Amino acid sequence: TQLLEQSPQFLSIQEGENLTVYCNSSSVFSSLQWYRQEPGEGPVLLVTVVTGGEVKKLKRLTFQFGDARKDSSLHITAAQPGDTGLYLCAGAPPGGTSYGKLTFGQGTILTVHP
Amino acid sequence: ETGVTQTPRHLVMGMTNKKSLKCEQHLGHNAMYWYKQSAKKPLELMFVYSLEERVENNSVPSRFSPECPNSSHLFLHLHTLQPEDSALYLCASSQGTGAAGFNQPQHFGDGTRLSIL
Repeated sequence: TQLLEQSPQFLSIQEGENLTVYCNSSSVFSSLQWYRQEPGEGPVLLVTVVTGGEVKKLKRLTFQFGDARKDSSLHITAAQPGDTGLYLCAGAPPGGTSYGKLTFGQGTILTVHP
Repeated sequence: ETGVTQTPRHLVMGMTNKKSLKCEQHLGHNAMYWYKQSAKKPLELMFVYSLEERVENNSVPSRFSPECPNSSHLFLHLHTLQPEDSALYLCASSQGTGAAGFNQPQHFGDGTRLSIL
């Protein structure tokens, strides 16, 4: 069974601060997806990283996939209150299947105070 | 139209009731999923349907019964649930077939908040 350890579980910061969320596993994933979920809504995909060592940027968010494809990080620069939400990482197993079975981390609840 | 629509948004039921959750996707995807989201636990995959055929059942109790009549609709039939079944139930879809299917992102509905009395 593949497991994803996400840390920290809770993060409360002031507007303008930087933060990093980590997603770690002993298993290799073919890709790693990051989602953001707001209260009362379902998760929404932010980014997918596929290649070991890959770095993707989405405005103030920077996502990195580890070289061995076992871990990933999400870094937010100058956090804004609008960044508040639950951040989820999800790994796709290696090998082809006809559907996308994902393993989710337990999530990081981020609160950015004005 | 939103991509994935779930109804009802909230459901309160007794342990002896029978109810159904509905999910509809308008994205032309051919894989659909049911997840359970509980506080302080990772999303738990319950069922996966690919091309209307159930391909995954993660040891879910028989009091949960899925149905996928076509590639756009997914149901979760509930009966004699337990208090620990109270959770947010999320439906998702993805373009799941083909060699690259397992890398495809999943599109989630906003969930049904289920409370068992």
